[in-house]
Amino acid sequence: DGGITQSPKYLFRKEGQNVTLSCEQNLNHDAMYWYRQDPGQGLRLIYYSQIVNDFQKGDIAEGYSVSREKKESFPLTVTSAQKNPTAFYLCASSMYGARTYEQYFGPGTRLTVT
Amino acid sequence: AQTVTQSQPEMSVQEAETVTLSCTYDTSESNYYLFWYKQPPSRQMILVIRQEAYKQQNATENRFSVNFQKAAKSFSLKISDSQLGDTAMYFCAFMNTGNQFYFGTGTSLTVIP
Repeated sequence: DGGITQSPKYLFRKEGQNVTLSCEQNLNHDAMYWYRQDPGQGLRLIYYSQIVNDFQKGDIAEGYSVSREKKESFPLTVTSAQKNPTAFYLCASSMYGARTYEQYFGPGTRLTVT
Repeated sequence: AQTVTQSQPEMSVQEAETVTLSCTYDTSESNYYLFWYKQPPSRQMILVIRQEAYKQQNATENRFSVNFQKAAKSFSLKISDSQLGDTAMYFCAFMNTGNQFYFGTGTSLTVIP
């Protein structure tokens, strides 16, 4: 089955530690995205990548970093510089030039930093 | 920058009744795409319906339909014959020609048995 996987579903870290969230897709999509979801604020874009080895900052990129070495993978690192990292993180992908343009989402990762 | 506004943080509807969720957006582009996503308690985002701005006909998907008013920049979602499984957060989203997506803050819908 084609889709997007995010692992793990729940992640716990101590303050001051970097943590990397995994996102893999087998949909052959060109574009991939990372969103942060907080209560009452909807989805906010952290980073996005339209092709391999290229990515752009979204609205709240400070304290986060990404890489896009493979088309299928778009890991997100939450660094110790991120002031309030506890949140629900969603990865998504979409296809350029397709008849349909919607984003497909992974199941999300709930990160708790204490 | 494009913005998407959902002015109803919470709504409720009786089972089998009809409910309409509102969404407005702001853009200077003429060609774009609009979406409604559903996020149930599992938190998995699910596409409900999509609308291409160049199409005048309103999109429909079974019990879900939209009222797309391009001049007014309005994109409301109508759910007919509401079911308990429709209880979820609903997000309106806008996609520009650069493949960038913008989401509203969501409307929490509760279907009452």
